[in-house]
Amino acid sequence: DAGITQSPRHKVTETGTPVTLRCHQTENHRYMYWYRQDPGHGLRLIHYSYGVKDTDKGEVSDGYSVSRSKTEDFLLTLESATSSQTSVYFCAIRRSGQGVETQYFGPGTRLLVL
Amino acid sequence: QKEVEQDPGPLSVPEGAIVSLNCTYSNSAFQYFMWYRQYSRKGPELLMYTYSSGNKEDGRFTAQVDKSSKYISLFIRDSQPSDSATYLCAMSDYTGANSKLTFGKGITLSVRP
Repeated sequence: DAGITQSPRHKVTETGTPVTLRCHQTENHRYMYWYRQDPGHGLRLIHYSYGVKDTDKGEVSDGYSVSRSKTEDFLLTLESATSSQTSVYFCAIRRSGQGVETQYFGPGTRLLVL
Repeated sequence: QKEVEQDPGPLSVPEGAIVSLNCTYSNSAFQYFMWYRQYSRKGPELLMYTYSSGNKEDGRFTAQVDKSSKYISLFIRDSQPSDSATYLCAMSDYTGANSKLTFGKGITLSVRP
């Protein structure tokens, strides 16, 4: 258990509405990530953060923004949700140890955009 | 060519079978290799990781890396119904502070009792 929680766990929204997903971690990790997972595409990186107020884009960042005002919280915002953003969203943290850096994932948020 | 290719599956085996899951990759800079297991409607969980080439064993699971062939494998011995899940390979160079993981698309394994 990497001490990661995501909220909400499920959400249904309508096209054009803004949506914010929250990732919370309890272990003070510097790096946090947002992924989406879709059939046929696997896990794709949306945005990541390497510290408070330090973020960068991943491979599928269009239509998404992020913010990190505290070490423990990483927010993902869909400015104006579209049906193509229906997906399962996972947050992850990077943990270092024994010379290896690995990522640990939260339980996910299922988002349906109607 | 995708950076990481994984057999698409799905794969169905009888209980007790030996399972071999494989990924190939094209980026020779990858040096950290991981396998994640994901149960239905759950987040991926780290199963095993290896650095560079060689084998690593953990109980019924063995991870193998062949950097010369750019090929990694996960072997599951004496497979159990509880091993039924999607398995994702992942790899990284981690040469820079902002290095990222590259994932395969995952293969769904079903172990029949």
